[in-house]
Amino acid sequence: GENVEQHPSTLSVQEGDSAVIKCTYSDSASNYFPWYKQELGKRPQLIIDIRSNVGEKKDQRIAVTLNKTAKHFSLHITETQPEDSAVYFCAASGGSTLGRLYFGRGTQLTVWP
Amino acid sequence: EAQVTQNPRYLITVTGKKLTVTCSQNMNHEYMSWYRQDPGLGLRQIYYSMNVEVTDKGDVPEGYKVSRKEKRNFPLILESPSPNQTSLYFCASSLWVGGPETQYFGPGTRLLVL
Repeated sequence: GENVEQHPSTLSVQEGDSAVIKCTYSDSASNYFPWYKQELGKRPQLIIDIRSNVGEKKDQRIAVTLNKTAKHFSLHITETQPEDSAVYFCAASGGSTLGRLYFGRGTQLTVWP
Repeated sequence: EAQVTQNPRYLITVTGKKLTVTCSQNMNHEYMSWYRQDPGLGLRQIYYSMNVEVTDKGDVPEGYKVSRKEKRNFPLILESPSPNQTSLYFCASSLWVGGPETQYFGPGTRLLVL
C-alpha cells in the first residue's frame, strides 16, 4: 500500500515569513494530493489540492507543488499570519488500492506575531 | 445546509459494552469513510465505502464494523470496545470520481473506553 511521510512535525515561523511543509509518497500510481488544515478542536478542512497532471497550483497565499519523478509534494504558505497556526495534513489517493486515502502524520504550524 | 453529522459527540463507556457511532450526510455523496485521530499518528482510515453495500478496510479495521445500507448513513460499530480504541473519530464523505474527492468531515466523536 501507499506510505505518506510528512515533515517537519512542528514548524514555528514569525508572522510574515513563509512556511513550507513537505510530503513524500511511495505509490507512483497515486494521482490526487489534498492538503487539510485542522484548527484546535475543529474538524479537518481542505485548503488546497493538486492532481498528478499538474505541477503547481496556487490559491492566494497558499501554493502546492508536485514532483512526480521524486514522488514528493509540498505546501507553501507565504506572508504567514497568526490565524495560519494549525495542524496541516497532507494526503494521497488514487493509487493501487482504489478508494484508500492515506494521510501524513501532520505538521503543527505556529505563527508568532 | 450541506453537512456531515455524527452522534454522539462525546462518549464514555466500559470495556466490552457494544456501541454505535452514527454518521449521516446530506450531500448525496457516494464515498464515506471513518478515521481515527491519535496524537502523533495523524488520521488513520478505519473503513471506507465507495457506495451502498460496498465497504472495505482501511489501515486499522480491527475491532470495528461498518455497514452501508443507505447512501446517507455509515455507522461505525464497536462490538466489544477496548481501552486502545479510546480516540477521536471522524466520519467524512465525498463525491466519487474514480477516487475519493474533497473529504467533508463531521464534527468528530471523542470516545473514552475505561
